Amino acid sequence: KAGVTQTPRYLIKTRGQQVTLSCSPISGHRSVSWYQQTPGQGLQFLFEYFSETQRNKGNFPGRFSGRQFSNSRSEMNVSTLELGDSALYLCASSLGQDSNQPQHFGDGTRLSIL
Amino acid sequence: KQEVTQIPAALSVPEGENLVLNCSFTDSAIYNLQWFRQDPGKGLTSLLLIQSSQREQTSGRLNASLDKSSGRSTLYIAASQPGDSATYLCAARDNNAGNMLTFGGGTRLMVKP
Repeated sequence: KAGVTQTPRYLIKTRGQQVTLSCSPISGHRSVSWYQQTPGQGLQFLFEYFSETQRNKGNFPGRFSGRQFSNSRSEMNVSTLELGDSALYLCASSLGQDSNQPQHFGDGTRLSIL
Repeated sequence: KQEVTQIPAALSVPEGENLVLNCSFTDSAIYNLQWFRQDPGKGLTSLLLIQSSQREQTSGRLNASLDKSSGRSTLYIAASQPGDSATYLCAARDNNAGNMLTFGGGTRLMVKP
């Protein structure tokens, strides 16, 4: 059974640009969550999608957005990139809303802003 | 607001030693608590999940315990090996918070041969 797939693995952008990251969850999983990991702040929750609806949102500016498609694949977009957006972006998938099953993470997309 | 703390931040032990990693959380209204392992440059690998109604979970050389009343969880690693070297993270999933996880800062473990 394939795990969580995130593309691309690495990305280099410059300030002011925008970027789109993709996440394909484990087959059958309908919930996708996104996290930002930095050395200073650790792992911080961005947002969660379930059945194409955003269910929860962390404390990030509106430049960070996401969406989920009918096949449960999810994308997150960051507009007007800042140096501080350099981070490892991780996606996690789980079965559903009330599942007490583990969440599974992809290997992440490492975003570097020049 | 849930806060999760892991102490120590780093730990170095000789191979074969048994060790305990600590995780504390401020809000006891958790749905479950999950332990992860992260290797350098990689994502998170799920190790153990303890439901709020459980006291402990075991997988091979790993044992995780949960004490909601004191806001603590521990991960016990028996007979440590160099391959156990990684960063270990605990994460709390709160009631009524969907699948959002609140992570601790992690414990970076090095097991020396």
